[in-house]
Amino acid sequence: DAGVIQSPRHEVTEMGQEVTLRCKPISGHNSLFWYRQTMMRGLELLIYFNNNVPIDDSGMPEDRFSAKMPNASFSTLKIQPSEPRDSAVYFCASSLGSPTYNEQFFGPGTRLTVL
Amino acid sequence: RKEVEQDPGPFNVPEGATVAFNCTYSNSASQSFFWYRQDCRKEPKLLMSVYSSGNEDGRFTAQLNRASQYISLLIRDSKLSDSATYLCVVNRGGNKLTFGTGTQLKVEL
Repeated sequence: DAGVIQSPRHEVTEMGQEVTLRCKPISGHNSLFWYRQTMMRGLELLIYFNNNVPIDDSGMPEDRFSAKMPNASFSTLKIQPSEPRDSAVYFCASSLGSPTYNEQFFGPGTRLTVL
Repeated sequence: RKEVEQDPGPFNVPEGATVAFNCTYSNSASQSFFWYRQDCRKEPKLLMSVYSSGNEDGRFTAQLNRASQYISLLIRDSKLSDSATYLCVVNRGGNKLTFGTGTQLKVEL
Protein backbone atom coordinates (compact mmCIF):
# COMPACT_ATOMS: atom_id res chain seq x y z
CA ASP A 1 0.00 0.00 0.00
CA ALA A 2 1.23 3.48 -0.80
CA GLY A 3 2.04 5.60 2.20
CA VAL A 4 2.14 9.38 2.27
CA ILE A 5 3.89 10.65 -0.83
CA GLN A 6 5.88 13.86 -0.87
CA SER A 7 7.68 15.66 -3.67
CA PRO A 8 10.29 16.75 -4.29
CA ARG A 9 12.47 14.76 -1.89
CA HIS A 10 15.23 17.35 -2.08
CA GLU A 11 15.08 20.99 -3.08
CA VAL A 12 17.93 23.46 -3.33
CA THR A 13 17.00 27.01 -4.17
CA GLU A 14 18.27 30.52 -3.84
CA MET A 15 17.00 33.10 -1.42
CA GLY A 16 14.00 34.95 -2.76
CA GLN A 17 12.73 32.10 -4.93
CA GLU A 18 9.32 30.52 -4.55
CA VAL A 19 9.26 26.96 -3.26
CA THR A 20 6.31 24.59 -3.54
CA LEU A 21 6.18 21.33 -1.62
CA ARG A 22 3.62 18.69 -2.47
CA CYS A 23 1.89 15.96 -0.52
CA LYS A 24 -0.48 13.12 -1.30
CA PRO A 25 -2.02 11.65 1.87
CA ILE A 26 -2.96 8.03 2.38
CA SER A 27 -6.23 7.29 0.63
CA GLY A 28 -9.15 7.47 3.04
CA HIS A 29 -7.38 9.64 5.60
CA ASN A 30 -9.22 12.87 6.29
CA SER A 31 -6.62 14.81 8.28
CA LEU A 32 -3.39 16.17 6.86
CA PHE A 33 -0.53 17.84 8.69
CA TRP A 34 2.52 19.84 7.63
CA TYR A 35 5.53 19.78 9.96
CA ARG A 36 8.97 21.35 9.84
CA GLN A 37 12.00 19.73 11.50
CA THR A 38 15.27 21.43 12.38
CA MET A 39 18.08 20.45 14.71
CA MET A 40 17.44 23.43 16.95
CA ARG A 41 13.66 23.33 17.21
CA GLY A 42 12.82 19.71 16.51
CA LEU A 43 9.53 18.81 14.84
CA GLU A 44 7.01 21.66 14.73
CA LEU A 45 3.44 21.55 13.46
CA LEU A 46 2.87 24.27 10.86
CA ILE A 47 -0.75 23.67 9.87
CA TYR A 48 -3.34 20.93 9.74
CA PHE A 49 -6.41 20.26 7.67
CA ASN A 50 -9.48 18.22 8.44
CA ASN A 51 -11.68 17.25 5.49
CA ASN A 52 -9.66 19.66 3.31
CA VAL A 53 -10.39 22.61 5.63
CA PRO A 54 -7.54 24.34 7.49
CA ILE A 55 -8.22 23.89 11.19
CA ASP A 56 -5.14 25.33 12.88
CA ASP A 57 -2.46 27.39 11.15
CA SER A 58 -1.01 28.91 14.30
CA GLY A 59 2.33 27.23 13.61
CA MET A 60 2.84 28.90 10.24
CA PRO A 61 5.86 31.13 10.87
CA GLU A 62 4.82 34.15 8.81
CA ASP A 63 2.96 35.34 5.76
CA ARG A 64 5.61 33.96 3.45
CA PHE A 65 4.19 30.51 4.18
CA SER A 66 0.88 29.33 2.78
CA ALA A 67 -0.79 25.94 2.47
CA LYS A 68 -3.70 24.65 0.46
CA MET A 69 -5.65 21.45 0.20
CA PRO A 70 -7.82 21.67 -2.92
CA ASN A 71 -9.04 18.07 -2.59
CA ALA A 72 -8.73 15.03 -0.36
CA SER A 73 -5.72 13.65 -2.20
CA PHE A 74 -3.43 16.66 -2.58
CA SER A 75 -1.92 19.46 -0.55
CA THR A 76 0.77 22.05 -1.13
CA LEU A 77 2.96 24.13 1.14
CA LYS A 78 4.36 27.22 -0.50
CA ILE A 79 7.13 29.53 0.67
CA GLN A 80 7.37 32.86 -1.16
CA PRO A 81 9.92 34.36 -0.97
CA SER A 82 12.21 31.75 0.58
CA GLU A 83 14.95 32.65 3.05
CA PRO A 84 18.00 30.71 4.28
CA ARG A 85 16.36 30.24 7.71
CA ASP A 86 13.63 28.22 6.00
CA SER A 87 16.15 25.43 5.39
CA ALA A 88 14.75 22.34 7.11
CA VAL A 89 13.06 19.02 6.47
CA TYR A 90 9.37 19.44 5.80
CA PHE A 91 7.15 16.46 6.59
CA CYS A 92 3.59 15.82 5.58
CA ALA A 93 1.53 13.38 7.65
CA SER A 94 -2.00 12.06 7.45
CA SER A 95 -4.43 10.29 9.76
CA LEU A 96 -8.03 9.18 10.01
CA GLY A 97 -8.52 12.24 12.16
CA SER A 98 -10.92 13.79 14.63
CA PRO A 99 -12.84 13.60 16.86
CA THR A 100 -10.60 10.92 18.41
CA TYR A 101 -6.91 10.79 17.83
CA ASN A 102 -5.55 8.32 15.34
CA GLU A 103 -1.98 7.47 14.45
CA GLN A 104 -0.30 9.97 12.16
CA PHE A 105 1.61 8.46 9.23
CA PHE A 106 4.48 10.55 7.95
CA GLY A 107 5.79 10.91 4.44
CA PRO A 108 9.53 10.67 3.70
CA GLY A 109 9.95 14.45 3.90
CA THR A 110 11.32 17.15 1.64
CA ARG A 111 14.81 18.36 2.51
CA LEU A 112 14.87 22.06 1.65
CA THR A 113 18.06 24.08 1.38
CA VAL A 114 17.81 27.80 0.72
CA LEU A 115 21.13 29.37 -0.24
CA ARG B 1 9.79 26.18 29.23
CA LYS B 2 9.24 23.76 26.36
CA GLU B 3 5.95 21.91 26.31
CA VAL B 4 7.71 18.54 26.00
CA GLU B 5 11.24 18.09 27.31
CA GLN B 6 13.65 15.24 26.72
CA ASP B 7 17.32 14.60 27.37
CA PRO B 8 18.87 14.76 23.88
CA GLY B 9 21.54 12.16 24.69
CA PRO B 10 23.21 10.44 22.98
CA PHE B 11 22.85 7.34 25.07
CA ASN B 12 25.60 4.92 24.03
CA VAL B 13 24.88 1.42 25.33
CA PRO B 14 26.24 -2.05 24.60
CA GLU B 15 24.08 -4.60 22.87
CA GLY B 16 21.92 -6.44 25.41
CA ALA B 17 21.77 -3.56 27.86
CA THR B 18 18.61 -2.08 29.34
CA VAL B 19 18.14 1.62 28.72
CA ALA B 20 15.48 4.07 29.91
CA PHE B 21 14.40 7.42 28.51
CA ASN B 22 12.37 10.01 30.32
CA CYS B 23 10.23 12.86 29.17
CA THR B 24 8.31 15.60 30.99
CA TYR B 25 5.39 17.63 29.70
CA SER B 26 4.13 20.96 30.95
CA ASN B 27 0.43 20.97 30.10
CA SER B 28 -1.58 19.04 32.68
CA ALA B 29 -4.55 18.99 30.30
CA SER B 30 -2.66 16.71 27.89
CA GLN B 31 -4.81 13.75 27.01
CA SER B 32 -2.74 11.12 25.28
CA PHE B 33 0.89 10.23 24.97
CA PHE B 34 3.11 8.37 22.55
CA TRP B 35 6.62 7.38 21.70
CA TYR B 36 7.70 7.74 18.08
CA ARG B 37 10.91 6.42 16.62
CA GLN B 38 12.90 8.27 13.96
CA ASP B 39 15.81 6.66 12.12
CA CYS B 40 18.55 8.87 10.70
CA ARG B 41 17.27 10.88 7.72
CA LYS B 42 13.91 9.09 7.83
CA GLU B 43 10.39 10.02 8.89
CA PRO B 44 9.04 9.50 12.43
CA LYS B 45 7.00 6.34 13.00
CA LEU B 46 4.74 5.42 15.89
CA LEU B 47 6.49 3.06 18.31
CA MET B 48 3.80 2.78 20.96
CA SER B 49 1.09 4.60 22.86
CA VAL B 50 1.54 5.26 26.57
CA TYR B 51 -1.21 4.48 29.08
CA SER B 52 -1.53 5.31 32.76
CA SER B 53 -1.53 1.64 33.63
CA GLY B 54 1.71 1.13 31.74
CA ASN B 55 2.00 -0.97 28.65
CA GLU B 56 4.46 -3.37 27.16
CA ASP B 57 5.25 -4.39 23.60
CA GLY B 58 7.93 -7.04 23.47
CA ARG B 59 11.16 -5.52 24.77
CA PHE B 60 9.59 -2.07 25.10
CA THR B 61 7.71 -0.80 28.16
CA ALA B 62 6.10 2.62 28.43
CA GLN B 63 4.87 4.29 31.60
CA LEU B 64 2.90 7.45 32.31
CA ASN B 65 2.79 9.33 35.60
CA ARG B 66 0.11 12.01 35.30
CA ALA B 67 0.72 13.43 38.76
CA SER B 68 4.37 14.14 37.92
CA GLN B 69 3.67 14.82 34.22
CA TYR B 70 6.32 12.32 33.33
CA ILE B 71 6.57 9.64 30.62
CA SER B 72 9.16 6.91 30.32
CA LEU B 73 10.31 4.31 27.81
CA LEU B 74 12.30 1.25 28.82
CA ILE B 75 14.10 -0.90 26.26
CA ARG B 76 15.33 -4.28 27.43
CA ASP B 77 17.94 -6.45 25.72
CA SER B 78 18.78 -3.65 23.30
CA LYS B 79 19.68 -4.53 19.70
CA LEU B 80 21.84 -2.73 17.19
CA SER B 81 18.65 -2.08 15.23
CA ASP B 82 17.23 -0.08 18.16
CA SER B 83 19.70 2.73 17.34
CA ALA B 84 17.51 5.71 16.50
CA THR B 85 16.06 8.89 17.94
CA TYR B 86 13.07 8.40 20.23
CA LEU B 87 10.51 11.20 20.25
CA CYS B 88 8.18 11.79 23.17
CA VAL B 89 4.82 13.02 21.87
CA VAL B 90 1.88 14.61 23.67
CA ASN B 91 -1.64 15.21 22.42
CA ARG B 92 -3.57 18.02 24.10
CA GLY B 93 -6.75 17.07 22.34
CA GLY B 94 -8.05 16.52 18.87
CA ASN B 95 -5.38 15.93 16.30
CA LYS B 96 -2.67 18.28 17.43
CA LEU B 97 0.55 16.55 18.52
CA THR B 98 3.49 18.21 20.25
CA PHE B 99 6.83 16.49 19.76
CA GLY B 100 9.87 16.56 22.01
CA THR B 101 13.19 17.15 20.30
CA GLY B 102 14.11 13.50 20.81
CA THR B 103 16.61 11.32 22.63
CA GLN B 104 19.30 9.70 20.53
CA LEU B 105 20.17 6.07 21.25
CA LYS B 106 23.26 4.31 19.90
CA VAL B 107 23.56 0.59 20.57
CA GLU B 108 27.09 -0.71 20.10
CA LEU B 109 28.68 -4.14 19.77
